[in-house]
Amino acid sequence: EVQLVQSGAEVKKPGESLKISCKGSGYSFTSNWIGWVRQMPGKGLEWMGIIYPGDSDTRYSPSFQGQVTISADKSISTAYLQWSSLKASDTAMFYCARQHDSGIMDVWGQGTTVTVSS
Amino acid sequence: EIVLTQSPGTLSLSPGERATLSCRASQSVSSSYLAWYQQKPGQAPRLLIYGTSSRATGIPDKFSGSGSGTDFTLTISRLEPEDFAVYYCQQYGSSPYTFGQGTKLEIK
Repeated sequence: EVQLVQSGAEVKKPGESLKISCKGSGYSFTSNWIGWVRQMPGKGLEWMGIIYPGDSDTRYSPSFQGQVTISADKSISTAYLQWSSLKASDTAMFYCARQHDSGIMDVWGQGTTVTVSS
Repeated sequence: EIVLTQSPGTLSLSPGERATLSCRASQSVSSSYLAWYQQKPGQAPRLLIYGTSSRATGIPDKFSGSGSGTDFTLTISRLEPEDFAVYYCQQYGSSPYTFGQGTKLEIK
């Protein structure tokens, strides 16, 4: 079964750093892009960026460039989304998804809730 | 960046009725790279339609997509209770791969 399993919910303070994960299984992790999508409370979906674990080629939406870092460790089939200094406005649900070369996001993780509050 | 505008924001219908959801792009979506996702409360989005009109694996034929250029439509025939959810369109022809703001399909 193809699946993406994300790390658990996080509660952080403003200014702290954070790295959340997304582990793929049941398919060739290095041959498909992994995308990250943000959903702020009560809001819609926002495409943040993608990484190709095979060679770590990474693309960001201009809205998220410089705000987050996407990375991957192909040896353990895991992609990451990280922040160096969180803000309250980073409070959201974050989803990872398998993204094909065409751009289709066909398999999604269960989501990771990030809460940033003092 | 391509902006997708979905309408209506909320659609109130009864089970058994037909739903028509609209997605309009600020510029032409290349190669009809337009997808639709369904999201239920507390769940991750689920891919329904890709390439404007192709159903994803396991999606029943009551879901159909159409359109081209800048105007796209998702039609759900014979609504069932489990179809009431939020639906998002997404274009993946031009990076960044933007989503519409969503249409909430609610029970009337």
